[in-house]
Amino acid sequence: NAGVMQNPRHLVRRRGQEARLRCSPMKGHSHVYWYRQLPEEGLKFMVYLQKENIIDESGMPKERFSAEFPKEGPSILRIQQVVRGDSAAYFCASSPGKISPLHFGNGTRLTVT
Amino acid sequence: GQQVMQIPQYQHVQEGEDFTTYCNSSTTLSNIQWYKQRPGGHPVFLIQLVKSGEVKKQKRLTFQFGEAKKNSSLHITATQTTDVGTYFCAGITNQAGTALIFGKGTTLSVSS
Repeated sequence: NAGVMQNPRHLVRRRGQEARLRCSPMKGHSHVYWYRQLPEEGLKFMVYLQKENIIDESGMPKERFSAEFPKEGPSILRIQQVVRGDSAAYFCASSPGKISPLHFGNGTRLTVT
Repeated sequence: GQQVMQIPQYQHVQEGEDFTTYCNSSTTLSNIQWYKQRPGGHPVFLIQLVKSGEVKKQKRLTFQFGEAKKNSSLHITATQTTDVGTYFCAGITNQAGTALIFGKGTTLSVSS
């Protein structure tokens, strides 16, 4: 029973490039969440999606960031024109329902040079 | 917006001592969850509390949910080096569409 799969594990991008982070939820989970974590800081909520729908994107920056969770395939968090301040660990989590416990992936560590 | 505050931010104890972290919300929560993240790892779910005044135990860990459903605590009895990590509380309100909001966590270090 595979857990939440995130890839890549590490991603290095130069300023101005695009970063695409992928997340495959656990089997049977239709709710996906993206969180961002800076060193020695908590998990900052970014976006909550349910198959093909964005439920809550109140934590997403208004520009350059977008997320999707298509009917088929993984959820994608896309960051366009990355800047150094985007460097962080991005965690994806999934759950079978809204108030169910979250299962986290191993995260993608994004470094912008 | 909803905020979840956690204290202390850091705590160092000697092995065998007790440890407590506290969590407070600016709004009433429908439930509260606790997670543990080891250094370099990802958050792992520990427990969920739903009822007002609820107390749950997992071996040396005791979790409480306040009567007003706005605060919670995690208490570890007789800490061990394996308890090292960051403990996060996370809450969700009853509002539709609101996701789990995490506190900043309490990082526990234990010396033997």
